[in-house]
Amino acid sequence: QKEVEQNSGPLSVPEGAIASLNCTYSDRGSQSFFWYRQYSGKSPELIMSIYSNGDKEDGRFTAQLNKASQYVSLLIRDSQPSDSATYLCAVNMWNTGFQKLVFGTGTRLLVSP
Amino acid sequence: DTAVSQTPKYLVTQMGNDKSIKCEQNLGHDTMYWYKQDSKKFLKIMFSYNNKELIINETVPNRFSPKSPDKAHLNLHINSLELGDSAVYFCASSLPRGSGNYEQYFGPGTRLTVT
Repeated sequence: QKEVEQNSGPLSVPEGAIASLNCTYSDRGSQSFFWYRQYSGKSPELIMSIYSNGDKEDGRFTAQLNKASQYVSLLIRDSQPSDSATYLCAVNMWNTGFQKLVFGTGTRLLVSP
Repeated sequence: DTAVSQTPKYLVTQMGNDKSIKCEQNLGHDTMYWYKQDSKKFLKIMFSYNNKELIINETVPNRFSPKSPDKAHLNLHINSLELGDSAVYFCASSLPRGSGNYEQYFGPGTRLTVT
């Protein structure tokens, strides 16, 4: 089992729709979870972090965390063509007292006008 | 601008050469990282330094040698470059464990091509 799993996509949604991106992780002890957006040829950009079970909203983005199910998701409301990118789920795992981020392989999102 | 910066942005070299990539952050962070993103876009940690001390070494070949002269700088030297080293290398930084904030911020990347 991979440490962090995501559907590679592409996930295609029309402009204005809600895009739902999902991620599962293997380490039950993980406490910190992140979503990064990466445009082609660019570096990963942090868009959301979540530490507690439930929902966290920031503008059009909502992160959802369910530690019991080892599941984290990202909802993008009113999707725009500029949201087209690869979304990387990252989970903080402890390594000898220090954190390391383990990334999923990313889900490619395509928002069509 | 506050940021994580890397040089060079592009690096094209031949097999067997030695090259270095430099990283600097002015975010006041204590912890810095090197990541490798391969052709399939998988992003994997290579090394982490906390205040100049190596804390994570993810079984990277010893041809790769990181060096941190101070907590704002982390360099990566690669000896005897191989074709498989071609990738994008990202530097990142974060606040240390005790801060309660584990967000990592990435530099723009260095695209290394070995021919």
